[in-house]
Amino acid sequence: GESVGLHLPTLSVQEGDNSIINCAYSNSASDYFIWYKQESGKGPQFIIDIRSNMDKRQGQRVTVLLNKTVKHLSLQIAATQPGDSAVYFCAERGMKTSYDKVIFGPGTSLSVIP
Amino acid sequence: GAVVSQHPSRVICKSGTSVKIECRSLDFQATTMFWYRQFPKQSLMLMATSNEGSKATYEQGVEKDKFLINHASLTLSTLTVTSAHPEDSSFYICSASHRGSGLYEQYFGPGTRLTVT
Repeated sequence: GESVGLHLPTLSVQEGDNSIINCAYSNSASDYFIWYKQESGKGPQFIIDIRSNMDKRQGQRVTVLLNKTVKHLSLQIAATQPGDSAVYFCAERGMKTSYDKVIFGPGTSLSVIP
Repeated sequence: GAVVSQHPSRVICKSGTSVKIECRSLDFQATTMFWYRQFPKQSLMLMATSNEGSKATYEQGVEKDKFLINHASLTLSTLTVTSAHPEDSSFYICSASHRGSGLYEQYFGPGTRLTVT
C-alpha cells in the first residue's frame, strides 16, 4: 500500500513557545494539502488545509506554509500548550473526485514540556 | 455534521478466526470510503478504496482475499480480516468522502484496535 516513512521523528517544545513541524511531499500534481493531529488511540483530526494556489493560510493559533518549488509544507503552532502534544501528519490529495486518496506523510510526534 | 463511526472500537480475536469492522457515515452518504492501517509509531497506510456497489480497489501489496471489503450501502463499508494472524494486529481506520462546496473532503473514523492472540 501507499505509505511514507517507518519511524516517527519527535519534537520537544517548551509550553508557550512556538512549534514548527515540517513535511516534504512527493506528488507535484497534488492540489490540496492537509495537516492532521492524532492523539493516542484516536483517528486523525483535521487541523488546517491549504490549496495549491496558496502559499500561506492561518487558523486559530496555527499557520500552514506551502512551498511548491521545493515541495515543502510546514505547520506552525503559536503558544504551544500541553494539549497540543500529539502526532502531526501532513497529507496530500486531489479534490476533484470522491475517490481521490489521502496520502499521509511520516508524521512528527510533538511533546510539550510544561 | 460529517461524522464517521467505527464498530467495534476494540476487538481481540484468536489466530485463525475472522473479524469484521464496520465503518458508517452517520449524517451523509458516502459513495467512496477508504480503509487505512496504522502500526505503532508509524503513519497511516492506505489499504483500499471502497466504492458503493462495486469491488474495492486495493493498494499494491494488500491481499484482497485476506482483507475483504464490502460497501453495501452509501453509509456502510465493512472490512473483514480473514484468518487473522498476530501480525494483523493493528489500528484500522476508515474515512468517508463527502462533497461539500463543490469539492470532496474526507472525514475519518475513530479507528478500531485489532489484537490477534
